[in-house]
Amino acid sequence: DGGITQSPKYLFRKEGQNVTLSCEQNLNHDAMYWYRQDPGQGLRLIYYSQIVNDFQKGDIAEGYSVSREKKESFPLTVTSAQKNPTAFYLCASSMSTLGDEQFFGPGTRLTVL
Amino acid sequence: AQTVTQSQPEMSVQEAETVTLSCTYDTSESDYYLFWYKQPPSRQMILVIRQEAYKQQNATENRFSVNFQKAAKSFSLKISDSQLGDAAMYFCAYRRMMDSNYQLIWGAGTKLIIKP
Repeated sequence: DGGITQSPKYLFRKEGQNVTLSCEQNLNHDAMYWYRQDPGQGLRLIYYSQIVNDFQKGDIAEGYSVSREKKESFPLTVTSAQKNPTAFYLCASSMSTLGDEQFFGPGTRLTVL
Repeated sequence: AQTVTQSQPEMSVQEAETVTLSCTYDTSESDYYLFWYKQPPSRQMILVIRQEAYKQQNATENRFSVNFQKAAKSFSLKISDSQLGDAAMYFCAYRRMMDSNYQLIWGAGTKLIIKP
């Protein structure tokens, strides 16, 4: 079945540590996205990538980094510079054309201890 | 900058009845897309319905329909014959038609409760 997988489902991190969230898609989509979701707020875009080896900052990129070495993979690293990293993180993908639906993964809940 | 507002943090409806969720947005663009997404307790985000601003006809998907009022910048979602499985957070989202970064602007969400 085609879809997006994210791992792990739950992640715990000590302050000062970097952590990487995985996102893989087998939909053959060109574009991929990372969102952060906090209680009572809509999704906020962290980073997005339109093609392999290219990515752009979203609204809240500070303290995060990404890579896009393969079309199907778009990992997100939450660095120690991110001051409030505890949140729910959603990965999405879409075809490259405008207006296409974004398909979402099941998400990763990150908690900083 | 574009903004999306969902003024109802929570709504409840009796099973089998109809409920309408509100969404307003602010934009100076004439062409854009509007979306309603559903996030059930599993937290997987699912597209419910999509509307292109240049289309005057309101979009419909089975029990889900929208009331798109372009001049009023309003995009409400109507759910008919509500079912227990409709219980979820519902998010309204906006996207410029010519935006090359495909960025969606999201509302804060409405929690829909279905009473059996």
